[in-house]
Amino acid sequence: NAGVTQTPKFQVLKTGQSMTLQCAQDMNHNSMYWYRQDPGMGLRLIYYSASEGTTDKGEVPNGYNVSRLNKREFSLRLESAAPSQTSVYFCASSEATLGGANTGELFFGEGSRLTVL
Amino acid sequence: AQKVTQAQTEISVVEKEDVTLDCVYETRDTTYYLFWYKQPPSGELVFLIRRNSFDEQNEISGRYSWNFQKSTSSFNFTITASQVVDSAVYFCALLDNDMRFGAGTRLTVKP
Repeated sequence: NAGVTQTPKFQVLKTGQSMTLQCAQDMNHNSMYWYRQDPGMGLRLIYYSASEGTTDKGEVPNGYNVSRLNKREFSLRLESAAPSQTSVYFCASSEATLGGANTGELFFGEGSRLTVL
Repeated sequence: AQKVTQAQTEISVVEKEDVTLDCVYETRDTTYYLFWYKQPPSGELVFLIRRNSFDEQNEISGRYSWNFQKSTSSFNFTITASQVVDSAVYFCALLDNDMRFGAGTRLTVKP
């Protein structure tokens, strides 16, 4: 079972470069999320997509854009990378629409470690 | 605004000790969910438990137990008779409009 797949797993960028993190889930989940994890900060929500065709800002959206390409895929783009965006990025999916009646249990990818020099 | 606070940054115990991880949350919503996730050294995030705001019953699952108290906005997690394999970072999370995580508590269980 693939679950949630993120690519790439590692990436080194120079300041100002752009890149896209890809995420795909094969569980037919409605909701997808992008988080970043930094030491001492826990997981912070960047953007989420409650359903295909919708996206919303989370806690730390500045410097990022997202695309919910279809129900399976949710990509995160850094248009002009900055050192402050050095982090581990996690994609997650959930059966439940945010705030809905279902569990909201998140299934996470393995993470993508991004370093911006 | 919603917020999750895990005041304990790091905890170290010796195997077989009991340990409680604290979680305090803030939300304006009356309907919400609380979660605990585990992140072992391998890095993946593992779901442990979910509670909704209308169910204050405490839960026990093996050596794990959870105490949900709306009066104090707390959702604490206790591991009984800790084991080395329990060493991980544990995150508490709150779902109302979106899913927010606390900063995590790093638990080290020494043999």
